[in-house]
Amino acid sequence: GQNIDQPTEMTATEGAIVQINCTYQTSGFNGLFWYQQHAGEAPTFLSYNVLDGLEEKGRFSSFLSRSKGYSYLLLKELQMKDSASYLCAVRETDSWGKLQFGAGTQVVVTP
Amino acid sequence: DSGVTQTPKHLITATGQRVTLRCSPRSGDLSVYWYQQSLDQGLQFLIHYYNGEERAKGNILERFSAQQFPDLHSELNLSSLELGDSALYFCASSVGKSTGELFFGEGSRLTVL
Repeated sequence: GQNIDQPTEMTATEGAIVQINCTYQTSGFNGLFWYQQHAGEAPTFLSYNVLDGLEEKGRFSSFLSRSKGYSYLLLKELQMKDSASYLCAVRETDSWGKLQFGAGTQVVVTP
Repeated sequence: DSGVTQTPKHLITATGQRVTLRCSPRSGDLSVYWYQQSLDQGLQFLIHYYNGEERAKGNILERFSAQQFPDLHSELNLSSLELGDSALYFCASSVGKSTGELFFGEGSRLTVL
């Protein structure tokens, strides 16, 4: 099974940078995903890491260290619309396709 | 719009009742996943179907069952409903057998009174 930890809430100012950390414990790692979820809406895919290193996609970047069981999502040039919950999710090698989600980090962007 | 369609969007029912939630995956996607999201539990995996066959099960209650039909749409049946079953139920689809990017529907909000 997995144990996924991420902070409950983070607050940042418009235009700033926020880094959301995620730590996980798993018996067989096969990928880490980040999803964004606005209140009452469906989660939407942001990024995927399976190898160590940084994946950059516009204002969003995600980093993975498999040896440390650690990932982060970096949000740059924050905009008000980035206020949402950010979910870290892990896929195991023998999971046959299911993702284990963390509880999510609520990011509040203030003017 | 993810291309995944779920009905109904909202459902209010009483304890002890049975409901069916429906999901149509994106065109071409063979995998369908069901997730439950409640305030205190976060997003919890229920079950995964691939091309009509069950592939993985999470902590799905025995009162819950699902199936995927030949046209690839899926239904989640919830019976003997309890207050604690009140949640958002999401369906997601992806192309292959193993999870790549999941595309989530808008969810079905179930309220059990």
